[in-house]
Amino acid sequence: AQKVTQAQTEISVVEKEDVTLDCVYETRDTTYYLFWYKQPPSGELVFLIRRNSFDEQNEISGRYSWNFQKSTSSFNFTITASQVVDSAVYFCALSEERSNSGYALNFGKGTSLLVTP
Amino acid sequence: DAGITQSPRYKITETGRQVTLMCHQTWSHSYMFWYRQDLGHGLRLIYYSAAADITDKGEVPDGYVVSRSKTENFPLTLESATRSQTSVYFCASNNPPKTQYFGPGTRLLVL
Repeated sequence: AQKVTQAQTEISVVEKEDVTLDCVYETRDTTYYLFWYKQPPSGELVFLIRRNSFDEQNEISGRYSWNFQKSTSSFNFTITASQVVDSAVYFCALSEERSNSGYALNFGKGTSLLVTP
Repeated sequence: DAGITQSPRYKITETGRQVTLMCHQTWSHSYMFWYRQDLGHGLRLIYYSAAADITDKGEVPDGYVVSRSKTENFPLTLESATRSQTSVYFCASNNPPKTQYFGPGTRLLVL
């Protein structure tokens, strides 16, 4: 069973629009970590944020914000006033304390975001 | 520079050949990981290593071999490459449960 679901395969927005990328996860652990990574067209994986299961406080970093809700097992990512440079594939990932693979990341399939001028 | 590097960045090989992808990190992280990225699948774990001489399988280990004789290196070998192993391979490292940081990736094409 997939542990991380990113239901939106592709999203296209016009510059300056706000966009939310959804992430739903599944785990039985009480201690776990959630991540968002960005993969721009150049191909590298860029770390954006890490959240542990005990910290449900939402976070804002510039135009980026994250909403973590344990009640709905969601960790959504919002980009405010999107820019062309935000065009990338965004991955949500889960790391579990009791995993048998050393806190390896379980990735969603990614959401491809295209921001057009 | 400190960080995590992968070589080669691009590789074309033929079916049946042996290929080794290299990964080197300078952070002295205990854990290292190999993932492959395929369209429609996201990234999937191939192998991981908790320390030198300690390795274990991930989700998709078939056809791959790893070793870790030194903490900083974690090579991935395709013993007899197949077309289904055409993919982008990422190496990562961390000291759990801290953030994994990824290398730049190796694009492998098996003809």
